[in-house]
Amino acid sequence: DVKVTQSSRYLVKRTGEKVFLECVQDMDHENMFWYRQDPGLGLRLIYFSYDVKMKEKGDIPEGYSVSREKKERFSLILESASTNQTSMYLCASSPGLAAINLIQYFGAGTRLSVL
Amino acid sequence: ELKVEQNPLFLSMQEGKNYTIYCNYSTTSDRLYWYRQDPGKSLESLFVLLSNGAVKQEGRLMASLDTKARLSTLHITAAVHDLSATYFCAPGGSNYKLTFGKGTLLTVNP
Repeated sequence: DVKVTQSSRYLVKRTGEKVFLECVQDMDHENMFWYRQDPGLGLRLIYFSYDVKMKEKGDIPEGYSVSREKKERFSLILESASTNQTSMYLCASSPGLAAINLIQYFGAGTRLSVL
Repeated sequence: ELKVEQNPLFLSMQEGKNYTIYCNYSTTSDRLYWYRQDPGKSLESLFVLLSNGAVKQEGRLMASLDTKARLSTLHITAAVHDLSATYFCAPGGSNYKLTFGKGTLLTVNP
């Protein structure tokens, strides 16, 4: 089974802090994704990565950055956390274009509260 | 930009009844995914539809895809309480990305 592990289930941070959310996958997937999920808005893509050190902006990248130094690990960074970044953050991974179905597999999520 | 509209957003059903969730999307897509999310949990893949006319069934759920109409449906047959969850559709774009609908919160009542 594919396993996508997010380092924390719950985080509480203060406004202005630098926040790191970590995600690790064990299936040698090429692609990794960070989403945020808010009530009534569904999932919105923040950033994704299709290879080590490669990244592309998603729909809502402002206030976030990412890092992918190793294939299995994808980090989301909030440079200076703000209250409007309080949300559920979901990491996902999927195989590359050679795969048939490109299913995204999701981690358990990190619920971040910024006070 | 791919836009996705799910209907309805809220669905309250009685056990034993049938219903359909609709997923319309705005631009051509060659694949479509359905996911389920239980309260407080992450998303679980239900179906992958890869061609026009594709139909997949698992238990009381059946998903179909009409790429010409840009429409997918998720049909629920004889609903049971265990199906209570939020269901998301997500058409795939020309790259690796998926665009998710806002989700349909399904509640099945005894």
